[in-house]
Amino acid sequence: LAKTTQPISMDSYEGQEVNITCSHNNIATNDYITWYQQFPSQGPRFIIQGYKTKVTNEVASLFIPADRKSSTLSLPRVSLSDTAVYYCLVVNSNSGYALNFGKGTSLLVTP
Amino acid sequence: EPEVTQTPSHQVTQMGQEVILRCVPISNHLYFYWYRQILGQKVEFLVSFYNNEISEKSEIFDDQFSVERPDGSNFTLKIRSTKLEDSAMYFCASSEIRDNYNEQFFGPGTRLTVL
Repeated sequence: LAKTTQPISMDSYEGQEVNITCSHNNIATNDYITWYQQFPSQGPRFIIQGYKTKVTNEVASLFIPADRKSSTLSLPRVSLSDTAVYYCLVVNSNSGYALNFGKGTSLLVTP
Repeated sequence: EPEVTQTPSHQVTQMGQEVILRCVPISNHLYFYWYRQILGQKVEFLVSFYNNEISEKSEIFDDQFSVERPDGSNFTLKIRSTKLEDSAMYFCASSEIRDNYNEQFFGPGTRLTVL
């Protein structure tokens, strides 16, 4: 599976839009991009998954350019409770179902 | 909303003792997983389980570890002889897989402390 690279940490103020970009240069045709969120002392929680273009749900948007070598998770108007670690993962059911978490991006939202 | 539950929330044990961590996956899910997270480190995959057998396992999941689905609801992880380095948060997860969509639902975790 493609290796992912994302910033180690980001800071934001409440009410701002936060964009976390992940690069996955070696993504394969059958790979999907998935993002999880983890609060301290809790299990990861699925946020969004996409293959190409744009996906939006009630929590976030995921932008994937045509070459799919990167993706951007967009969190609109963050609040203090969005402080968490965000993981970008490349998944491919043909390679199994294990999730390979990296170190993620630690987002700190302050007033 | 259905959720994965885990018991106990915290387990303290002596080195060399056996521990069993318990999980109740979401009822209509067919795929089950165990992950662990050592304090301050990343979440690591241990094992996945489907149709009453292990479908994948990592290098961490050695002979000291075993999993079982003893009945229709529980999914357990057994560590036969705990070591200090087994101290970690252990997360159970479950999913139903449709095509390439595999949203894994994680439980709240069991914090294992080996003394």
